[in-house]
Amino acid sequence: GQQVMQIPQYQHVQEGEDFTTYCNSSTTLSNIQWYKQRPGGHPVFLIQLVKSGEVKKQKRLTFQFGEAKKNSSLHITATQTTDVGTYFCAGGTSYGKLTFGQGTILTVHP
Amino acid sequence: DAGITQSPRHKVTETGTPVTLRCHQTENHRYMYWYRQDPGHGLRLIHYSYGVKDTDKGEVSDGYSVSRSKTEDFLLTLESATSSQTSVYFCATESAGELFFGEGSRLTVL
Repeated sequence: GQQVMQIPQYQHVQEGEDFTTYCNSSTTLSNIQWYKQRPGGHPVFLIQLVKSGEVKKQKRLTFQFGEAKKNSSLHITATQTTDVGTYFCAGGTSYGKLTFGQGTILTVHP
Repeated sequence: DAGITQSPRHKVTETGTPVTLRCHQTENHRYMYWYRQDPGHGLRLIHYSYGVKDTDKGEVSDGYSVSRSKTEDFLLTLESATSSQTSVYFCATESAGELFFGEGSRLTVL
């Protein structure tokens, strides 16, 4: 079945440093979604990418969808303590199935 | 938030007992999902529903059953709880491809 791998599993950064998490799918995706889960909270939708090579920005967050639609990345510029949490990618197929990656747990040290 | 309420939020039970988790939504979303979240595994789909009395299995459905008698309610039942079902359970609804998650139900099976 479809697998979505996400790396790294953990990332510790100093406040102000950049952060990137990567997502790779075993199959071609129709779309990729990203979610953020604060410690003790529930996942919250951040964005969806659907086009090959698509790049979207939300303030300090930059999301990319690979040309082959099998990989994606989330980059945070100049991390802040409010960025702490777990970031999940979720790959969608043409028949509507969504498979989540394992998540990257981000810790930001002030 | 999409008006999703999960109950109970916390439950401790013993091996072999039945457990039912309830998800209630106020947004009239057609699709509803049950996920479990475990360290290192991300979010894994247990069961989902695409309408009243219409349900299907996800990737980790063994030992779980669901029912949806009304649009707003989606019940997850563990017929005979096992320690491997200790987890955090999230209900979600979907609108325009975006998932909206409840606050989660933490279940401990002793």
